Amino acid sequence: EAGVAQSPRYKIIEKRQSVAFWCNPISGHATLYWYQQILGQGPKLLIQFQNNGVVDDSQLPKDRFSAERLKGVDSTLKIQPAKLEDSAVYLCASSLVPGELFFGEGSRLTVL
Amino acid sequence: GEDVEQSLFLSVREGDSSVINCTYTDSSSTYLYWYKQEPGAGLQLLTYIFSNMDMKQDQRLTVLLNKKDKHLSLRIADTQTGDSAIYFCAETGANNLFFGTGTRLTVIP
Repeated sequence: EAGVAQSPRYKIIEKRQSVAFWCNPISGHATLYWYQQILGQGPKLLIQFQNNGVVDDSQLPKDRFSAERLKGVDSTLKIQPAKLEDSAVYLCASSLVPGELFFGEGSRLTVL
Repeated sequence: GEDVEQSLFLSVREGDSSVINCTYTDSSSTYLYWYKQEPGAGLQLLTYIFSNMDMKQDQRLTVLLNKKDKHLSLRIADTQTGDSAIYFCAETGANNLFFGTGTRLTVIP
């Protein structure tokens, strides 16, 4: 069974530029999550989708972050414009059973 | 709101037991989880415990839950160098998981 795929693995941008991350969840997993993991901290939920609807985006900084999940499968997370404090690893996860999340390897963003 | 606390570091010698501790605040959590993160990788579910249980054993892993004190622990028996990683405790929030800061386990050969 293929795991959660994410790209790109690494991205370096300057502040005020934009960036997009892509995630392909495990086939059949209805729930998809984007987490932000700042160095030395635990993952923090940004947004949760159930199929293509948003379940929770309360922690998503909506002035600069956006996410979509078209057709209930792949998802993209965009940051525009990026700030220095957005430097982090962006983790995508999917699940069939609540709490049992399967994570991708993450996309490491460095904002200079 | 949810708050999950863990000590940041733990070092053990290969072959010894490791005990990683966690305290949480949300008494309504139905399940509590342990995830493992190896360098450069995403998190991997290790084990979980239902809130009406006080112990669960799974091969080398033992989870203990003290619901009164809101304390969760993960014991790894016969710790191996491959167990070196960051271990995250997580509790169920309203719709999703709330993770602690993680404990970095270093296994000394």
